[in-house]
Amino acid sequence: EAGVAQSPRYKIIEKRQSVAFWCNPISGHATLYWYQQILGQGPKLLIQFQNNGVVDDSQLPKDRFSAERLKGVDSTLKIQPAKLEDSAVYLCASSLRGDQPQHFGDGTRLSIL
Amino acid sequence: GENVEQHPSTLSVQEGDSAVIKCTYSDSASNYFPWYKQELGKRPQLIIDIRSNVGEKKDQRIAVTLNKTAKHFSLHITETQPEDSAVYFCAATTNTGFQKLVFGTGTRLLVSP
Repeated sequence: EAGVAQSPRYKIIEKRQSVAFWCNPISGHATLYWYQQILGQGPKLLIQFQNNGVVDDSQLPKDRFSAERLKGVDSTLKIQPAKLEDSAVYLCASSLRGDQPQHFGDGTRLSIL
Repeated sequence: GENVEQHPSTLSVQEGDSAVIKCTYSDSASNYFPWYKQELGKRPQLIIDIRSNVGEKKDQRIAVTLNKTAKHFSLHITETQPEDSAVYFCAATTNTGFQKLVFGTGTRLLVSP
């Protein structure tokens, strides 16, 4: 089975610019997650979708971060405006259902100059 | 909320030795504990998981043990090989409905030939 696909793999922007990441989950997976992984740390959950609805966005900095999963399949995560502390790898994961194991994509490495 | 501590942060072993990584969690309601392996620049990969109704689970050279009373769980790798070198993350969550994984800070395992 094809894994979780993410793009781009790398992105370099200047602070205060905007950026968007894309995720295509494993086919049939209803639950989708976005994580932020800062260098040397474990992934931190930003937002969780069940189909096209948000289950948990309690750790999403909503003043600058937004995410959507309009048709219950692909998802985009946006940052506007970016800050230096947003430099991290942004990982997308999916699972068949909310109580099933999560499978991760390769991530997007974001560098803010 | 849940807090997961992981030790050691780095672990160096000789090929063929055993390696043990330990994690403690704070929320007694947590009942699902996965372990992920992340090679440099790659996606986290689920290598084994355990649910709170089981005390131990084994898969070839990898085993996980869980002590619910003490709220800690451990990853055991026997007969280590150079390809086991990676960062290992433990995580904990309740697993009724939707997972909200809280990750440990990671253990960098180096297996020397």
